[in-house]
Amino acid sequence: GAVVSQHPSRVICKSGTSVKIECRSLDFQATTMFWYRQFPKQSLMLMATSNEGSKATYEQGVEKDKFLINHASLTLSTLTVTSAHPEDSSFYICSGYSGNTIYFGEGSWLTVV
Amino acid sequence: GENVEQHPSTLSVQEGDSAVIKCTYSDSASNYFPWYKQELGKGPQLIIDIRSNVGEKKDQRIAVTLNKTAKHFSLHITETQPEDSAVYFCAANQAGTALIFGKGTTLSVSS
Repeated sequence: GAVVSQHPSRVICKSGTSVKIECRSLDFQATTMFWYRQFPKQSLMLMATSNEGSKATYEQGVEKDKFLINHASLTLSTLTVTSAHPEDSSFYICSGYSGNTIYFGEGSWLTVV
Repeated sequence: GENVEQHPSTLSVQEGDSAVIKCTYSDSASNYFPWYKQELGKGPQLIIDIRSNVGEKKDQRIAVTLNKTAKHFSLHITETQPEDSAVYFCAANQAGTALIFGKGTTLSVSS
């Protein structure tokens, strides 16, 4: 099946700094990717829809200036958490379509200290 | 937009028993209903899915049923084993759109 690769798998950053998470579709082109956030013992919550070559669409309550999404190519979408705070510590995961099947990355654990 | 409700939030069964998890969705246009298993510290893994043109799908000990009229779908696990213990999520969407997830069910299978 199609593969979505996410990097890094785990990252620790200091409060106030920014961190970038990459989501790559390795064997298919994804015009659209989706970013989710999952807090401990909670469900996956859709943060934004990333569209290649255009601005991302953010879900209600998600700060677009804090969570910068760039989808500059058909195989790469990035999520940058700016001015990270401890409450941003979470599991971030992306997904993309290959045909009519959706594939998830392995996820990225972000810890802000 | 789509809203997915999932019940129960926790489920404890004895090894060998069956487990059933139920979900309802709100958007009648949704046509894809996957189920994911998530183990601690890992991403969700697709275990079975169903599209709106069928009412039931089975894969060994796992089955999913869909009632489009009532807008609900269920996951059935038979002959449960300790390794089935995990968090299970249902989801729904229309083709090409983001999956919307239920809140999850923590399944515990005791031997």
